[in-house]
Amino acid sequence: QKEVEQNSGPLSVPEGAIASLNCTYSDRGSQSFFWYRQYSGKSPELIMFIYSNGDKEDGRFTAQLNKASQYVSLLIRDSQPSDSATYLCAVDTDKLIFGTGTRLQVFP
Amino acid sequence: EPEVTQTPSHQVTQMGQEVILRCVPISNHLYFYWYRQILGQKVEFLVSFYNNEISEKSEIFDDQFSVERPDGSNFTLKIRSTKLEDSAMYFCASSDRRLSETQYFGPGTRLLVL
Repeated sequence: QKEVEQNSGPLSVPEGAIASLNCTYSDRGSQSFFWYRQYSGKSPELIMFIYSNGDKEDGRFTAQLNKASQYVSLLIRDSQPSDSATYLCAVDTDKLIFGTGTRLQVFP
Repeated sequence: EPEVTQTPSHQVTQMGQEVILRCVPISNHLYFYWYRQILGQKVEFLVSFYNNEISEKSEIFDDQFSVERPDGSNFTLKIRSTKLEDSAMYFCASSDRRLSETQYFGPGTRLLVL
């Protein structure tokens, strides 16, 4: 059974801080990794994807991938209250397998 | 900006009834997907569809489920005899390539089976 694991949270950070979200996956053959944001009652929205080991930056977001450790993370710099949502890690193994998500709360 | 649309936004049905959930994918997309999310749980893959046939399906997608692309624009999910445990949000997604970074989700249909 291919699994994606995330801490359910909530992760609470003050406005302006860095939020760090983590994810591990079980299928060592996975090649593509995704971070989605999901507001309550809404559909997932793609934030970032990463294929190669290392860091990938897009604005305030940085995705980090370590295939040897089967670990993916998402850093959100300068966190804003509008970033408060559930962040879903997903792995593409011919289909998207999602983790349960980490709920992020950014307080003013 | 093009988007995936889904109808209805909410559906309430009695156990044992058939429901059809409809999706209009982005027009130039070729790959179509259904996912479901039971309240408070993770998003789960149901089925992928390409070139007018199912590419892959999960264990959840049993004989009570079927998908169809009846015309050039709609993509439907039919649940033949609904059960209480089918209550969930159902998301349609489409992409123009096999790679999932191009996969866009619709707003979802919330299905409640009574």
